[in-house]
Amino acid sequence: AQSVTQLDSQVPVFEEAPVELRCNYSSSVSVYLFWYVQYPNQGLQLLLKYLSGSTLVKGINGFEAEFNKSQTSFHLRKPSVHISDTAEYFCAVNAGGTSYGKLTFGQGTILTVHP
Amino acid sequence: KAGVTQTPRYLIKTRGQQVTLSCSPISGHRSVSWYQQTPGQGLQFLFEYFSETQRNKGNFPGRFSGRQFSNSRSEMNVSTLELGDSALYLCASSYSGRASDEQYFGPGTRLTVT
Repeated sequence: AQSVTQLDSQVPVFEEAPVELRCNYSSSVSVYLFWYVQYPNQGLQLLLKYLSGSTLVKGINGFEAEFNKSQTSFHLRKPSVHISDTAEYFCAVNAGGTSYGKLTFGQGTILTVHP
Repeated sequence: KAGVTQTPRYLIKTRGQQVTLSCSPISGHRSVSWYQQTPGQGLQFLFEYFSETQRNKGNFPGRFSGRQFSNSRSEMNVSTLELGDSALYLCASSYSGRASDEQYFGPGTRLTVT
């Protein structure tokens, strides 16, 4: 079975500063990795995904993530955040095989961007 | 292209009652997954349907059930509601439900059980 650990429940940061949201996963098989964002009273929106190939993945809104197989990590980064990035961020995995439609999520990281 | 829609957006029910939530996927998507989101347990997978068949199921009691219609619309039902069922229920659709498919989420239905 797979699991996802988001190492920080809350990350405060000032506007225009860089940010890193950390995610570690465990799985006995190869996985597909995703980062989603959730704004208040809304559903989840995909930021980026890693399926295979290049370990550096670029997503929407200036976010990127790096897949590190040896450290089983998939950390999300943004070089300069904006007030509008304030939201909750979720890392998720799907182990493939018969895991049809099943994403396993981390507990979420609340990013708060201060002016 | 219209996104995933869920109805109703808000529901208040009493313990012991049952409830039915509806999800309309993006046109052309045949896989629908359901998730429960609570502050304590986070996001948990309930089940997935594809072509009217349940292919995958999470660790929830039998009070939670679902179905999918021929037009890919899906419903989930919770019987004998308990206070702990209060949650945001999210539906997500994808083209085929494969692990590599992106899931598109609806805005959710907020269920409050009193």
